This record gives sequence, C-alpha cells and structure tokens, in this order.
Amino acid sequence: GAGVSQSPSNKVTEKGKDVELRCDPISGHTALYWYRQSLGQGLEFLIYFQGNSAPDKSGLPSDRFSAERTGGSVSTLTIQRTQQEDSAVYLCASTKKVDGSYNEQFFGPGTRLTVL
Amino acid sequence: AQSVTQPDIHITVSEGASLELRCNYSYGATPYLFWYVQSPGQGLQLLLKYFSGDTLVQGIKGFEAEFKRSQSSFNLRKPSVHWSDAAEYFCAVVTIGSNDYKLSFGAGTTVTVRA
Repeated sequence: GAGVSQSPSNKVTEKGKDVELRCDPISGHTALYWYRQSLGQGLEFLIYFQGNSAPDKSGLPSDRFSAERTGGSVSTLTIQRTQQEDSAVYLCASTKKVDGSYNEQFFGPGTRLTVL
Repeated sequence: AQSVTQPDIHITVSEGASLELRCNYSYGATPYLFWYVQSPGQGLQLLLKYFSGDTLVQGIKGFEAEFKRSQSSFNLRKPSVHWSDAAEYFCAVVTIGSNDYKLSFGAGTTVTVRA
C-alpha cells in the first residue's frame, strides 16, 4: 500500500522567503509527526497531531514555524522568513494506535530544504 | 526527560564480519525502543522494535537487538555484514505522556563496510 509521501523532495529558497512543506500520511493514520534532521542537531521532534486534539507544538524552534493538518489527513509545515539555519531535511511520520496501544511510526522520504 | 545515547559516531567493519551498535537510554519506565536505518538519500526504515516480552528482538535484514534493563541498553547486532548495510543507524525511544508518542533519537552511528 501507499506509504507516507512528502513534497517537494527538494526545496531551495532564498533567505527571508516563506516555504511550505507538505505531508500525506498513510490513510487511516490518526497521528502525524514532523521531525527535522540537521547537521549538528540530529533528528529532533517538531510537532505532533492526534485526531482532533490540539497539536503538541513543543518542538517548534521559533514562532516562524507553524503547521496545520486539514481534515485529519494532509499536513503542511510552514516556515516564514527562512534563515540559513533552517536548512535541513524535514521528515514526516504517521501512525495509528493498534488495540489502543502505540504502534510504530512510518516515515516519509523527507523534504530537503536549502536556504541560501 | 528521556534521552538516547549512541556512543559510536562512526564504525567501519569488513564485509562478512559481525557488527554491534550500542544504544543506551535514560527513561523512568519501561521504554518502547526502536532501531531505524537510513541509507544515503533515503528515509528512515524501521529495523526492529521492543515493546515488551522477549528481550531478544529479531528484525529485518538479519538484525537483532537485545533489551537489557539492568544496563539500560538496546544494542543492535548482525552476525555477518553485507556491503548494503552501509548506512546510518538510529536508536530511538518513545516518550509516553499526555497521550502522545514522540520519538527521541540518538545522534546516529554511521556504518562503513569495507570489502
């Protein structure tokens, strides 16, 4: 079946511009996560959506970062006024509970963002 | 707060030799533990996971890992490495709280396989 997809796969932008990154989770997965993989920082959690609950935004590094999830499916991560330190691979993952218990997260291929 | 430590940044191993990647975690309760592999230019692929039960876990691609509570470790092993195993490996633990399950990752270990 279809896995998690992300678009674009690569994005090059100029400092100060806004960017939008898209994630399509696996159908039926109620939970969606964004992570960032950057040199020197490793893999870090950004934000989490679960059903209709308020998202956990505790990992967002600044107020330039925001995300939404429309209709409980597709999610968009927006970075405003990009800075060079935002250059990283942004990974999306989705999961669903199985028998009320946690299940593994399935990752998309990521979007490589380069801010010039 | 939980944390994951992968002490080895880079390991070089000969093809056909055994491989062991170390992972230590800091967590107050029984953790959910994972090993992911990331090949160059690829996304993260789950190798194996430990939730409960048998402490020796078998995964894909011939990998296994052993959960040792007394040592707070979850080391990954493979008896005979193939050139295709060259990749970056991440150990991760799930944070359980407020009904969310954020993954906390170690810094990763890069494995180079020499002929």
